[in-house]
Amino acid sequence: GENVEQHPSTLSVQEGDSAVIKCTYSDSASNYFPWYKQELGKGPQLIIDIRSNVGEKKDQRIAVTLNKTAKHFSLHITETQPEDSAVYFCAASDNTNAGKSTFGDGTTLTVKP
Amino acid sequence: GAGVSQSPSNKVTEKGKDVELRCDPISGHTALYWYRQSLGQGLEFLIYFQGNSAPDKSGLPSDRFSAERTGGSVSTLTIQRTQQEDSAVYLCASSLVGGRRTYEQYFGPGTRLTVT
Repeated sequence: GENVEQHPSTLSVQEGDSAVIKCTYSDSASNYFPWYKQELGKGPQLIIDIRSNVGEKKDQRIAVTLNKTAKHFSLHITETQPEDSAVYFCAASDNTNAGKSTFGDGTTLTVKP
Repeated sequence: GAGVSQSPSNKVTEKGKDVELRCDPISGHTALYWYRQSLGQGLEFLIYFQGNSAPDKSGLPSDRFSAERTGGSVSTLTIQRTQQEDSAVYLCASSLVGGRRTYEQYFGPGTRLTVT
């Protein structure tokens, strides 16, 4: 089955700096890679995703890159703000399993004002 | 529109009792997923439904866990003879299958289960 590894487990940055979270996956059949943000006491919220036919996708301060050859993908947050502080999860899934996602263990991001 | 809802939001039960957790997906979403999240941990896949059928039950931790979905909508996760290690947040998600937004999962707020 799929195995997703996520690094780092914790990340602390100063407000305004960039944050990068990296994930690797094992199953070459995976073709959909979402990122979720989870705030305390809430369910994960999809913030950005990328499909395997695209190498990079950007949405305002958030971008995701995908390297299918190396089986890794990354989340980039620029100009971080205190409200970006949360736990971020990456995931990988494939069409043959109705999008059942395998999640990374999460990264706790703290943005210090 | 309305998101995924789950009930109850919190459940405290005694060891050995049965519990039922409910999930109302987003209207029109054909796929529904259950995950378990232990304190400070990632999401552990339990089961998913496509319509009313469950093609993948591989994540259910034991035969004390079961789930059903009726009418292609509401789903119930049942845990029988609860154990302390069942204490966790149980998350439900739903998604469309087909179209541009295929497989984007939308999560509910979760049910926090505490077994004493």
